[in-house]
Amino acid sequence: GESVGLHLPTLSVQEGDNSIINCAYSNSASDYFIWYKQESGKGPQFIIDIRSNMDKRQGQRVTVLLNKTVKHLSLQIAATQPGDSAVYFCAENMNYGGSQGNLIFGKGTKLSVKP
Amino acid sequence: DAGVIQSPRHEVTEMGQEVTLRCKPISGHDYLFWYRQTMMRGLELLIYFNNNVPIDDSGMPEDRFSAKMPNASFSTLKIQPSEPRDSAVYFCASSLGQGNSDTQYFGPGTRLTVL
Repeated sequence: GESVGLHLPTLSVQEGDNSIINCAYSNSASDYFIWYKQESGKGPQFIIDIRSNMDKRQGQRVTVLLNKTVKHLSLQIAATQPGDSAVYFCAENMNYGGSQGNLIFGKGTKLSVKP
Repeated sequence: DAGVIQSPRHEVTEMGQEVTLRCKPISGHDYLFWYRQTMMRGLELLIYFNNNVPIDDSGMPEDRFSAKMPNASFSTLKIQPSEPRDSAVYFCASSLGQGNSDTQYFGPGTRLTVL
């Protein structure tokens, strides 16, 4: 798909294993973070979000961890399935509090799941 | 809900021609965003609107690009004249913009090729 670049970090996992995708964000004052999944030929799709007053949030098969000390975000996918193959983006919100604003996206990580 | 709708899905044009991309946000969403995605630069915010008013257009690359939102259910991104370096996938996204929900929902994108 158009989102896959030659220089995208790639994570290859076996079906059924757990996946961990990492992201370093840029602004220590960012207070809202989102993980998006983008399949080939499609737009980014929301997976899970977390606010800066939390360090962990769980969804269905996914967990996001936030470490504000080192400005690090991770996405854990349990029991990875072939349908999880996609490019995953983290995004941070640079406008604080309740006002909407500008999401800054990372470059993305390509996840490949081997059957 | 149909989600964010974009048209056309694919556009091929010649350098110098005018290109108009269209977007219908999710009904009830107050924010609308235009992004551009390329292999080299990833996902970049071009402009966003709140209640049909442009809030931040600092991402618009140059005067050849313009965006309008004449009403809550329609927005256009226009490039005139187009150049080969404008070739990219252009995404529209919308969000409620509420304090507790900054999630942006993306459309399927328009793949633009300028020859």
